[in-house]
Amino acid sequence: GQNIDQPTEMTATEGAIVQINCTYQTSGFNGLFWYQQHAGEAPTFLSYNVLDGLEEKGRFSSFLSRSKGYSYLLLKELQMKDSASYLCAVVTNAGKSTFGDGTTLTVKP
Amino acid sequence: EAGVVQSPRYKIIEKKQPVAFWCNPISGHNTLYWYLQNLGQGPELLIRYENEEAVDDSQLPKDRFSAERLKGVDSTLKIQPAELGDSAVYLCASSLDSGGQGFYEQYFGPGTRLTVT
Repeated sequence: GQNIDQPTEMTATEGAIVQINCTYQTSGFNGLFWYQQHAGEAPTFLSYNVLDGLEEKGRFSSFLSRSKGYSYLLLKELQMKDSASYLCAVVTNAGKSTFGDGTTLTVKP
Repeated sequence: EAGVVQSPRYKIIEKKQPVAFWCNPISGHNTLYWYLQNLGQGPELLIRYENEEAVDDSQLPKDRFSAERLKGVDSTLKIQPAELGDSAVYLCASSLDSGGQGFYEQYFGPGTRLTVT
């Protein structure tokens, strides 16, 4: 089976930097996705990590350590619109996707 | 280009009644997923199709849930009979074929919010 852990909630200030962690235990790990989901809306793709290291995309970066079963999403220069749930999802070599329960981020002025 | 289309957006039914959800994926996306999402939780996979073949339906409660994707394009998810615990958002997603060593991101539809009373 697969087990994915994320903090339930986080709060940060506009303009700041926040790091959202995700740990996982899975067999046949292939890669890890991060999705953003605003309240009442569908998830949207943010990043995909297969190899160890940091992937940077604008204000968002994602890191993966396969040996540690660990990933994080780094959000810089936080904006109010970044208030959302951030979902970590693991995909196996067989193509099976498992999502964490998400981290609800609240950005305050 | 149109995104993933789902209908209906909202559905209220009484328990023991049947209900069906429809999904039309992004053109060219051969992989289609149905998820169930409860409030405060992540999406839970119900079934994954590669073209018209259900390649993973291990988490589909087959006693009451069924799905089909007859021509490898749009898909229908059915519940019969519905139970109170089925109240949730049902999300459809699609992606390009997985190939080689990697997988493609999923594009989600707006979902169908089901309320069973």
